[in-house]
Amino acid sequence: SQKIEQNSEALNIQEGKTATLTCNYTNYSPAYLQWYRQDPGRGPVFLLLIRENEKEKRKERLKVTFDTTLKQSLFHITASQPADSATYLCAGGIAGNMLTFGGGTRLMVKP
Amino acid sequence: DAGVIQSPRHEVTEMGQEVTLRCKPISGHNSLFWYRQTMMRGLELLIYFNNNVPIDDSGMPEDRFSAKMPNASFSTLKIQPSEPRDSAVYFCASKASRNSYEQYFGPGTRLTVT
Repeated sequence: SQKIEQNSEALNIQEGKTATLTCNYTNYSPAYLQWYRQDPGRGPVFLLLIRENEKEKRKERLKVTFDTTLKQSLFHITASQPADSATYLCAGGIAGNMLTFGGGTRLMVKP
Repeated sequence: DAGVIQSPRHEVTEMGQEVTLRCKPISGHNSLFWYRQTMMRGLELLIYFNNNVPIDDSGMPEDRFSAKMPNASFSTLKIQPSEPRDSAVYFCASKASRNSYEQYFGPGTRLTVT
């Protein structure tokens, strides 16, 4: 079955450094990948979308890549801040509706 | 806009009882999704609607689960009878159209079945 896999271990980094989160997909070829942020007790919030024909997308301090050869997306937060601490979810979609979500990676940015 | 509204925010019930979760999507959005999130299984899609019509319910665990969308501004997810393994956070999400991508999630309903 189609799967989206993210590192389940928390990522701890120092404020000001670049955080890099990994998303791998197996058993299918998503037409696009989305990244969401989820804070404790709240619903996910959309951050970025990247299509399979795009190599890289940027939004302010965020950058996402899509490598169809490696079947992987990387999500970067540059100049990280403690306020960036949250769980980040990767999701893959084929058509315009259904998403398959990964388990999320918790990011902790220490001051 | 108030965003996606879900009620109740918390629900505690006993095994065997009926549970109804409610969702009001963002006005003008015509796709609605119900998800379930647990530590073990992550965020799973249960069912989604386009223009109030159920399109894919393959994620609904079993016949104890049912969902309806009687109009564009309201949807329910019902569990009857509930079981302890149904304990999870249930999210409703909406998006603007079939061809849009960004989903807007509600705050979720935390369900505990004892």
